Amino acid sequence: GAGVSQSPSNKVTEKGKDVELRCDPISGHTALYWYRQSLGQGLEFLIYFQGNSAPDKSGLPSDRFSAERTGGSVSTLTIQRTQQEDSAVYLCASSRRHAGTSGAPTDTQYFGPGTRLTVL
Amino acid sequence: GNSVTQMEGPVTLSEEAFLTINCTYTATGYPSLFWYVQYPGEGLQLLLKATKADDKGSNKGFEATYRKETTSFHLEKGSVQVSDSAVYFCALSVVDMRFGAGTRLTVKP
Repeated sequence: GAGVSQSPSNKVTEKGKDVELRCDPISGHTALYWYRQSLGQGLEFLIYFQGNSAPDKSGLPSDRFSAERTGGSVSTLTIQRTQQEDSAVYLCASSRRHAGTSGAPTDTQYFGPGTRLTVL
Repeated sequence: GNSVTQMEGPVTLSEEAFLTINCTYTATGYPSLFWYVQYPGEGLQLLLKATKADDKGSNKGFEATYRKETTSFHLEKGSVQVSDSAVYFCALSVVDMRFGAGTRLTVKP
């Protein structure tokens, strides 16, 4: 598609339930990123994918968070047993490629509109 | 580790005032530096970027110069408009992208 899309745009869930957030990156972009933006906070990096692999999972806040990407395209972020502190806007971004160990600059990231998650 | 520190907001200016939003970074390797903007009700979008020392990124009247000696990438605009009201994020990228906390700018007519 023309841009990064995310679904749902809004999700309200009860504490303890599992949720799945979806991201469709720009076609041809090999790198995909998940961030969290909490009210009044900056952007918190969660995880990135290069193709289908996720070399850096250090940003995931707990083992309740997991993400996968299949076919080098769509990604799903899953939050199990949601807690109220998980309430935030979850942003997805994609770029043509990701920096390698050579330190090559990462291409511009293009962001989706986000999914606003509210845990009651 | 890699990190970005940017000026705390909120910042309130009158139309046509000069804007500076400070950003400094800590990084290993050779980072690229970015400014992203989030207008009210919209998603994040790239404003400008610089990929090596002494590069100047510019867009929509905004400028930022990559200063390796001071590890800074301050955002400037000579004359702000009401339509510039938004949250501005400084970011760096080496292996992954790290964002600052954001600075909310409000421009009053």
